[in-house]
Amino acid sequence: KQEVTQIPAALSVPEGENLVLNCSFTDSAIYNLQWFRQDPGKGLTSLLLIQSSQREQTSGRLNASLDKSSGRSTLYIAASQPGDSATYLCAVREGETSGSRLTFGEGTQLTVNP
Amino acid sequence: DGGITQSPKYLFRKEGQNVTLSCEQNLNHDAMYWYRQDPGQGLRLIYYSQIVNDFQKGDIAEGYSVSREKKESFPLTVTSAQKNPTAFYLCASSLLQGMRGYTFGSGTRLTVV
Repeated sequence: KQEVTQIPAALSVPEGENLVLNCSFTDSAIYNLQWFRQDPGKGLTSLLLIQSSQREQTSGRLNASLDKSSGRSTLYIAASQPGDSATYLCAVREGETSGSRLTFGEGTQLTVNP
Repeated sequence: DGGITQSPKYLFRKEGQNVTLSCEQNLNHDAMYWYRQDPGQGLRLIYYSQIVNDFQKGDIAEGYSVSREKKESFPLTVTSAQKNPTAFYLCASSLLQGMRGYTFGSGTRLTVV
C-alpha cells in the first residue's frame, strides 16, 4: 500500500527566506505527483503537477522536483512571503490500472512571518 | 469558468439523521472522488467513481453512500451508521487518463449537533 510522508510537519520562517518542503513515497510506480496548497477551512488549490517521466516543474516562485527512483519530491519556495502561509500537501497518483486514486501526505503547515 | 461546486459550505446533522452533500463539476471530467479530512490526519478516500452508474469503495466507505447518475454530479450521503461524521469533506474530479491532475471543490464542513 502506498504511503506518503511529508517533512517537516510544521515550519515557521521569516519573510524573504528560501525554503524546501519534502515529500517521500514508498512505491515508486506512480503516474504523477501533485502539490497542493490549502488555506484554513478551504479546499485544495493545485500548485504543480509532475508527470512520472519529468524531473521538475516550475511556476513563478515555486519549483517542484521528482526523483521517482528514490521515492522523493521537494517543493522549493523562493523569497517566501506572508501570503505563502498555508498547509502544503503532496499527493501521488497511482498507476492507471488502480483507478487513478490519489494518496496524500499529512501536509506541512507553513507560517511566513513578516 | 469550469470548476467544482460543493454545497452547502456548512451542514449540521442531528443524531440518527441522514444528510446529503452535493458535488457538481462542469469540467467534463470522467472521475469523481470524495475525501474526508480530519485534524492531524491526511485526506482519506471515501468513494470514487470512474464512469456514470459505477463507483468503488475507498478506504473508509462504511457509513457512507454515493450515486453517479450523471457525469457532472456525485452526491455523498452520510448515513446514521457513520458514528463519527464530524469532519471536512472534499470532492474532487479528474480525467481518467491524460496529463492533468485533480481539481478540488471548496469543501463542506459537517458537524453533528
